[in-house]
Amino acid sequence: AQTVTQSQPEMSVQEAETVTLSCTYDTSESDYYLFWYKQPPSRQMILVIRQEAYKQQNATENRFSVNFQKAAKSFSLKISDSQLGDAAMYFCAYDYGGATNKLIFGTGTLLAVQP
Amino acid sequence: NAGVMQNPRHLVRRRGQEARLRCSPMKGHSHVYWYRQLPEEGLKFMVYLQKENIIDESGMPKERFSAEFPKEGPSILRIQQVVRGDSAAYFCASSPGTGWMDQPQHFGDGTRLSIL
Repeated sequence: AQTVTQSQPEMSVQEAETVTLSCTYDTSESDYYLFWYKQPPSRQMILVIRQEAYKQQNATENRFSVNFQKAAKSFSLKISDSQLGDAAMYFCAYDYGGATNKLIFGTGTLLAVQP
Repeated sequence: NAGVMQNPRHLVRRRGQEARLRCSPMKGHSHVYWYRQLPEEGLKFMVYLQKENIIDESGMPKERFSAEFPKEGPSILRIQQVVRGDSAAYFCASSPGTGWMDQPQHFGDGTRLSIL
């Protein structure tokens, strides 16, 4: 069965610094999607970035980028120039694919940003 | 273009009562997913529906839980005879289809269910 593991329950970063959140997953599939979602205290689920497994180039969205290592089944999120508004719970998710496209989520990493 | 709408935002029920959670997908989306987030945990898939059909309910508890997505109106997640363990945030997400180009799913703001 596919699983997603986030081994860092909590992380902290200074404002304007860079932080990397880790995520590993287990799958026997070759084509799939990976996502990072942000959940602030308001509890909204906000898509931060996504990566298609068939693309070798790492996805980037402004200050957010990923380091996708397909062979190692690793999908880390790098946040550059951290801002106070980045403080939130971050969830890594895997697209199950097939006929349903249901998402499998990790347990999350709570990111604190220190002023 | 309105996003995924869930209501109510907060729902309080006593043990043994019924809870009904509603989800209106984004305009043009005919695929609905329900996820449950227990306290201090990530989201767990419950059920995937298309109009008038349940496609995958592998994450749904076998008893007391049901879901529907009628031809007209919102998708409904129904929990009968609620127990304290049902306290959680319930999220709905929608997409236009299941092809690669139809990702990602768009999430609503969730319904926080509290059982007294």
